[in-house]
Amino acid sequence: AQKVTQAQTEISVVEKEDVTLDCVYETRDTTYYLFWYKQPPSGELVFLIRRNSFDEQNEISGRYSWNFQKSTSSFNFTITASQVVDSAVYFCALSSAAGNKLTFGGGTRVLVKP
Amino acid sequence: AAGVIQSPRHLIKEKRETATLKCYPIPRHDTVYWYQQGPGQDPQFLISFYEKMQSDKGSIPDRFSAQQFSDYHSELNMSSLELGDSALYFCASSRRQGATGNTIYFGEGSWLTVV
Repeated sequence: AQKVTQAQTEISVVEKEDVTLDCVYETRDTTYYLFWYKQPPSGELVFLIRRNSFDEQNEISGRYSWNFQKSTSSFNFTITASQVVDSAVYFCALSSAAGNKLTFGGGTRVLVKP
Repeated sequence: AAGVIQSPRHLIKEKRETATLKCYPIPRHDTVYWYQQGPGQDPQFLISFYEKMQSDKGSIPDRFSAQQFSDYHSELNMSSLELGDSALYFCASSRRQGATGNTIYFGEGSWLTVV
């Protein structure tokens, strides 16, 4: 069975601070996909990033960056120079293969104060 | 770019009534998913369809049913509604092949309130 754990339930920062969200996953599959989604107060789920299990290269996309460590089964996500509009619940999710369902973590609520 | 379209966005039903949610996936996406998100919870997988055939089933109550039609739109039918069915229902879609293979895109959700 797959499992995703987001140990941080809520993080509060002041604008312009960096925020790192932790995600640890469990799976027996050798090929899998990891995702981060953002859910603002309006409720929609917005896709942010996807990483394949066979590609451990860490990248930066604008103010977002991620750190995929297969050895520790972690897929952490960082928002650099946070803004008030970043306030949302962030979900880490895991899928075992193309077309398979997502298993979500419990989410981390990020509050960015001006 | 076209996104996943869900309707209605909000609906209020009484207990024991029936509700139907509709979903139009992103064009050329071959897989549709339905998720249920209760207050303060993470989304829970209900059911999925690949090329109009049911491909996976999660924690979907027997009172719920879903199907995907020839034009790829999908409907989630919920009968004998209970108070506990009040939730945000998401439809999502993905395409197995291509550069974005298996990236699952979500609609804006349908808020169901059962009173």
